[in-house]
Amino acid sequence: NAGVMQNPRHLVRRRGQEARLRCSPVKGHSHVYWYRQLPEEGLKFMVYLQKENIIDESGMPKERFSAEFPKEGPSILRIQQVVRGDSAAYFCASSTSGANVLTFGAGSRLTVL
Amino acid sequence: GENVEQHPSTLSVQEGDSAVIKCTYSDSASNYFPWYKQELGKRPQLIIDIRSNVGEKKDQRIAVTLNKTAKHFSLHITETQPEDSAVYFCAGHLFGNEKLTFGTGTRLTIIP
Repeated sequence: NAGVMQNPRHLVRRRGQEARLRCSPVKGHSHVYWYRQLPEEGLKFMVYLQKENIIDESGMPKERFSAEFPKEGPSILRIQQVVRGDSAAYFCASSTSGANVLTFGAGSRLTVL
Repeated sequence: GENVEQHPSTLSVQEGDSAVIKCTYSDSASNYFPWYKQELGKRPQLIIDIRSNVGEKKDQRIAVTLNKTAKHFSLHITETQPEDSAVYFCAGHLFGNEKLTFGTGTRLTIIP
C-alpha cells in the first residue's frame, strides 16, 4: 500500500501562472480532503470530495481555486493566476468513510515568485 | 461550525519529563478527536485518537483524556524523548460534518 501520493512535491510558479497539484488516495479510499498549511501555521480545511462530487468546499477561496476528483485518476487542486499569498504547503488526505482516521500525503509545496 | 483552540503554541520540556497539550472545542456534538504529529518538513501522522464515548485512552507513553462537559481534551506524553520533538495538532470532528477542524498546533521541543 503506497499511501497517499502527492505530486509534485515542490512546485515553483511565477505570479499569474497556474498550479496543478495531484493527489492519489490510499487504494480503497473514496474520500479525499485538501488542506493548506502556511509557514508556521496550522492546517486549514479547503475542500472535501468523493468520486466525481464536491461534498464541502467551504474552505476554498471563491476565486481562482478549484478541485476535482474524477471517476478515474487522481484528485486535482487547481490554482489559477497564482499570487505570492498562495505560497504554502498543500496536503491531501484520504479516508475510507468521512473524516475518520485521515491519512495524509507528503504535501506539495508551492512557491510563487 | 466547529472551532478548536490549542494551547500552548510552544512547549519546551526536559528529556524524561512529561508534556501536556490542551485543546478546547466549541460544538458539543463533536464526537471524534484525533491528535497528529508533524515533524519538520514531513506529513502529519496520526498518533492517537479518542471518541466521545470514552474518557481516556492510552498507548504506551501517549495518552489522551476527554472531558465532554468542559469540552476539552488533552494529550499527555510521559518520559519524553528527543524524537518527540515535533509540532502536534489536535482536531475535532463534528458529527454529520465530514471534515476535521484542526487546532493551531503546539511546537514541542525536548531538551536533552
